[in-house]
Amino acid sequence: DTGVSQDPRHKITKRGQNVTFRCDPISEHNRLYWYRQTLGQGPEFLTYFQNEAQLEKSRLLSDRFSAERPKGSFSTLEIQRTEQGDSAMYLCASSPGLAGVFEQFFGPGTRLTVL
Amino acid sequence: GIQVEQSPPDLILQEGANSTLRCNFSDSVNNLQWFHQNPWGQLINLFYIPSGTKQNGRLSATTVATERYSLLYISSSQTTDSGVYFCAVRSGGSYIPTFGRGTSLIVHP
Repeated sequence: DTGVSQDPRHKITKRGQNVTFRCDPISEHNRLYWYRQTLGQGPEFLTYFQNEAQLEKSRLLSDRFSAERPKGSFSTLEIQRTEQGDSAMYLCASSPGLAGVFEQFFGPGTRLTVL
Repeated sequence: GIQVEQSPPDLILQEGANSTLRCNFSDSVNNLQWFHQNPWGQLINLFYIPSGTKQNGRLSATTVATERYSLLYISSSQTTDSGVYFCAVRSGGSYIPTFGRGTSLIVHP
């Protein structure tokens, strides 16, 4: 069990560029979450997948944000036309698919800086 | 939605001191987790504790679901305990946890 991994760990981009982040969950975890965290705040939910199905999206997730989880394994989060307000830590978590058990395991995060 | 309040917001300790962090929530919960976020931003699982008491070394946690709070105890604190402690709860049929704003802990040598 290698834990949740995220790539890249850091990303610096210019305003208006597109960026894509990847998350590899713990193998056999069928639940996957994306969060955004800004300084001094707790993680804010962005979107949730159960297997390959995207079941919930936060109202925070504007139409510039899209997430996929093809084949129910790794997931990608894309931000189009980045804005300075998108600068944040993007966290991915996975959880096993056991009924009633929602223990989450987080990856190291991707820190995005938009110049 | 459910509200989660953590206290105190900030805590400064000398190495070796004990502390209690609190998480209050506004509705009944069926899942609760405590995390430690280290200075590099990694969220580390401490306890998955929807109810009852658990201990892991110098740390222990108690959740009293009927009274809508959870406590995290840190004994004999060390400098490596520094960071932000979050609780996250899930209620009802939602798949989505709600995080508190955290308690920022600094332990001085």
